[in-house]
Amino acid sequence: QKEVEQDPGPLSVPEGAIVSLNCTYSNSAFQYFMWYRQYSRKGPELLMYTYSSGNKEDGRFTAQVDKSSKYISLFIRDSQPSDSATYLCAMNERDDKIIFGKGTRLHILP
Amino acid sequence: DGGITQSPKYLFRKEGQNVTLSCEQNLNHDAMYWYRQDPGQGLRLIYYSHIVNDFQKGDIAEGYSVSREKKESFPLTVTSAQKNPTAFYLCASSIRGLVSNPSQPQHFGDGTRLSIL
Repeated sequence: QKEVEQDPGPLSVPEGAIVSLNCTYSNSAFQYFMWYRQYSRKGPELLMYTYSSGNKEDGRFTAQVDKSSKYISLFIRDSQPSDSATYLCAMNERDDKIIFGKGTRLHILP
Repeated sequence: DGGITQSPKYLFRKEGQNVTLSCEQNLNHDAMYWYRQDPGQGLRLIYYSHIVNDFQKGDIAEGYSVSREKKESFPLTVTSAQKNPTAFYLCASSIRGLVSNPSQPQHFGDGTRLSIL
């Protein structure tokens, strides 16, 4: 079983919809969880950074971590065409190397 | 503006040639990293450095070399021994996590796309 699993998509949703992106993982020692957004031909941009379980909200973005299920989610409310990108989940133990998911391609349809 | 600058944006390598990718950061970050991104494969760690004059191999270091002579600079050399160098190369940096502080996330440059001529 791979350490981090992420559906590659593509995921297509209409503008204004709520988007749900997810990752599962196998290492129960992971404590730090991140979501990055990557536009084509650009580097990943940090969107959300959370520690341990719970929810964190920043504008239209909500990151959710469920350590008991080894499952993390990123919700995007009121999705915009500019949200079309690849979204990478990432996680690590303290000071250990970061493990990245392979990314989900998201298309927001105008 | 603080950030990570990678250059060049595009690079072409001839057979048997070594090429060097530049990465500079003005974020005063201690740690720097090199990743390779291939379609459908995600990010794979090549080398990392937590402090000046010290660096460690990542998961796919063969055919690559690095140096860390200055805090702000972490160049990557793709040697002729790397038989499949065509990829998107990403440099990242982070504040080094301390015992009393939580681990810090990595911030990325905009990458260098390397192709074989």
